[in-house]
This record gives sequence, structure tokens and C-alpha cells, in this order.
Amino acid sequence: GAVVSQHPSWVICKSGTSVKIECRSLDFQATTMFWYRQFPKQSLMLMATSNEGSKATYEQGVEKDKFLINHASLTLSTLTVTSAHPEDSSFYICSARPMGRGGVTGELFFGEGSRLTVL
Amino acid sequence: QKEVEQDPGPLSVPEGAIVSLNCTYSNSAFQYFMWYRQYSRKGPELLMYTYSSGNKEDGRFTAQVDKSSKYISLFIRDSQPSDSATYLCAMAPSGYALNFGKGTSLLVTP
Repeated sequence: GAVVSQHPSWVICKSGTSVKIECRSLDFQATTMFWYRQFPKQSLMLMATSNEGSKATYEQGVEKDKFLINHASLTLSTLTVTSAHPEDSSFYICSARPMGRGGVTGELFFGEGSRLTVL
Repeated sequence: QKEVEQDPGPLSVPEGAIVSLNCTYSNSAFQYFMWYRQYSRKGPELLMYTYSSGNKEDGRFTAQVDKSSKYISLFIRDSQPSDSATYLCAMAPSGYALNFGKGTSLLVTP
């Protein structure tokens, strides 16, 4: 399967600081990437859809000014958690769909996830 | 009522057993059904993908979709300790937005 890489895999930061998480598709191009958040023993919750070259689409209840998403190229999307607080501590996971597979929603590949701990 | 319901378990079985994992859903528009395996502190890995109703088999894994009952299943034959993980069902009507179940934690004991 296709490979999606996330970095960093684990980050600890102080309250009030900003943290950037990168999501890269290593062996394919992706016009669309997705950012999820997962709390312990909970399901993945879609936060936003990242579109290359345009603004991200945020799910209801997700603060777009707090979770900044940039999809500057066909292989890279970044999620920046601004002014992070302890309640933002979570497991953030990105996913991507290879180009050219329009309606085949099954072929969605996930990164390894980034665990954020805000002290 | 959540759109996708999945028993979180945990489910514990002995090595070699047949495992049955299930999800129910309420949205009749769902057409794409997926099963992901997630190891602790890792991202989900796609195991099976099914479109509409029917069965699909891949090695020791079999996915079944019963749209009339809004019920999907994943069977694991000859379960191994390495199968111990959380299994997530996911489904979508079309396009991109996947709806995930909470995941079922599976433990296969030697």
C-alpha cells in the first residue's frame, strides 16, 4: 500500500505555544488529505479536509483559527495547533487518497499519527 | 443515535479461534464499507474494502456486508497473537467523508 508519513510522532509542549505536525505522502501525490483527532478509546473524528492549493474545509465545531491547515504541495499538508492548551492533547492522524482514484473511498491511507501532549 | 455503532470490547480469544467483529449503522446511503486495524499508538491500516453488499475474502480475513440489515462483519480465521489490535469499521455514502465506529479491541492469547 501507499505510504503516508507523519512528523513528529510524539511532541510535548507548554501551554500557549504552537505546534506544527507534518503529513507527507511518500510515494504518491494527493490533492486531498484529511486530519483526524482520536481521544483514548474513542473513534477517529474528522477535523478538516485539506485541499492542495485552496483553503481547508473544517468540520462543525472545529476552530479553524486554532487548527491551521496548509496544503502547499501534492505531497505535504501541515496542521498547526496554535496556542495549545491541555485539552488539545490528543492523537492527531492524517490520511490521504492517491490521485486518480476519484470515487474509490476505500483507498485511503493513514499516517502513523502524532501524539500531542500539552502541559 | 450515532450513525455507526461498534462494540468496543475488549474481546479475548485463544490462538486459532475464529473471530467475529461487527458494526451496525443507520444511514442507508452508505455504500462503501471498510475495516481498519490499528495497533496501539499507530495509525489505522486498511484491511478490507467492500462496495455495496456481499462478501470479500483476503487470506484469513472475510468481510461481509448486509445492507438490508445495515450490518457489517469482519471474520478472522486461525487468529494469531499478532492480530491483537483495535479493529475499526468505517463507511461512507460516497466521496470522502468516512464515518468510523469506536473500534473493537481484540486480544488473541497464545
